[in-house]
Amino acid sequence: DIVMTQTPLSSPVTLGQPASISCRSSQSLVHSDGDTYLSWLHQRPGQPPRLLIYKISNRLSGVPDRFRGSGAGTDFSLQISRVEVEDVGMYYCMQSTQFPHTFGQGTKLEIK
Amino acid sequence: EVQLVQSGGGLVKPGRSLRLSCTASGFTFGDFAISWFRQAPGKGLEWVAFIRGKPYGETTEYAASVQGRFTTSRDNSKSIAYLQMDSLKTEDTAVYYCSRYGGRPDYWGQGTRVIVSS
Repeated sequence: DIVMTQTPLSSPVTLGQPASISCRSSQSLVHSDGDTYLSWLHQRPGQPPRLLIYKISNRLSGVPDRFRGSGAGTDFSLQISRVEVEDVGMYYCMQSTQFPHTFGQGTKLEIK
Repeated sequence: EVQLVQSGGGLVKPGRSLRLSCTASGFTFGDFAISWFRQAPGKGLEWVAFIRGKPYGETTEYAASVQGRFTTSRDNSKSIAYLQMDSLKTEDTAVYYCSRYGGRPDYWGQGTRVIVSS
């Protein structure tokens, strides 16, 4: 199975300041079709997850452009340019290149 | 508008069965895979099962932890996906989510709680 490792596990940030989360996979996420199926999801308490970014850097329609995904191969990151109140919660990276699909442990974003 | 509405959770004793439903609307259901996930209390997300769409033969995949006990299926005429959960264990206690998957898990159901306890 592909192991996904996120850092940090907790990220206190000041409103209006940037935040960054890293995600490393235990093996390359490049699929045989040439795409890399690395997604980022956000989850608020009591809510279902919400997809933000797919295939490393593609924002889902309606996701603010302050969210940016980047990376390649085994190293990926999610950056928020200016954190807003509604950004608090858990962030998960997920790979769907290979079964079983797997998630990082999650990063808790909170306001200082 | 794409929607996934879940039903079927509840409290069940160990060893018993439960069937979850995921009713879709707003898109051509048969063209998309459906993925099932769960989240145990206070824990992270775990992938559980996957059923491909009609173009890909509706084949299935399962996590090792549920292989042989859980079965996912779909009724494209009704736009419903199912997760049949047999021989339930206490460690299956979680909120279960379904998600539309077309290369990414873009739309999610609201989740349904399953509690396995004697």
